Amino acid sequence: DSGVTQTPKHLITATGQRVTLRCSPRSGDLSVYWYQQSLDQGLQFLIQYYNGEERAKGNILERFSAQQFPDLHSELNLSSLELGDSALYFCASSARTGPVGDTQYFGPGTRLTVL
Amino acid sequence: AQSVSQHNHHVILSEAASLELGCNYSYGGTVNLFWYVQYPGQHLQLLLKYFSGDPLVKGIKGFEAEFIKSKFSFNLRKPSVQWSDTAEYFCAVNARDGGSQGNLIFGKGTKLSVKP
Repeated sequence: DSGVTQTPKHLITATGQRVTLRCSPRSGDLSVYWYQQSLDQGLQFLIQYYNGEERAKGNILERFSAQQFPDLHSELNLSSLELGDSALYFCASSARTGPVGDTQYFGPGTRLTVL
Repeated sequence: AQSVSQHNHHVILSEAASLELGCNYSYGGTVNLFWYVQYPGQHLQLLLKYFSGDPLVKGIKGFEAEFIKSKFSFNLRKPSVQWSDTAEYFCAVNARDGGSQGNLIFGKGTKLSVKP
């Protein structure tokens, strides 16, 4: 158990719908990262928040957005869902931001299936 | 742009065989290097990491990796695998200089199947 929690574990929805994935970081961690894992693209970085502010963006679609709340939990919002959005979405947390000796710990993931 | 290559897509070994999984990265600056393992149906777990210092790093469950800067490589090794090592292994890097906020760049992963 990494200490990072994600809900829900599984999500099944239809095309065109909107869903929200939730992540709670490890106690004391200020950074939250979101990654998408799919069979064809592998593990791709989506977005990072640090202490409530967006710090870095990766291959995140405009239909997707995220935020980090004052209690440091984060939500990833996916809208106008398409079949290709079906994937495993991981959240990771780390103590700080930036590259200096920081380790990311991953949550169990949310498996999204779009029908 | 950074990239990570893992040479083997699927490796099949018998128990007690030795393991070496290749990982090469592409980046001109200084990097942090990681190996994560994903057991079937589970989340990514950190096996080991390299930030600086001794290029031979030891991780959990008997795994080790060696950073060879001149070859841009960070290969994962284990002298004797067990059936319980069956999993997918991911190599990842992030840049230590100002060009990154720390997000990880992952390789495509190597599936390891260990036959009992």
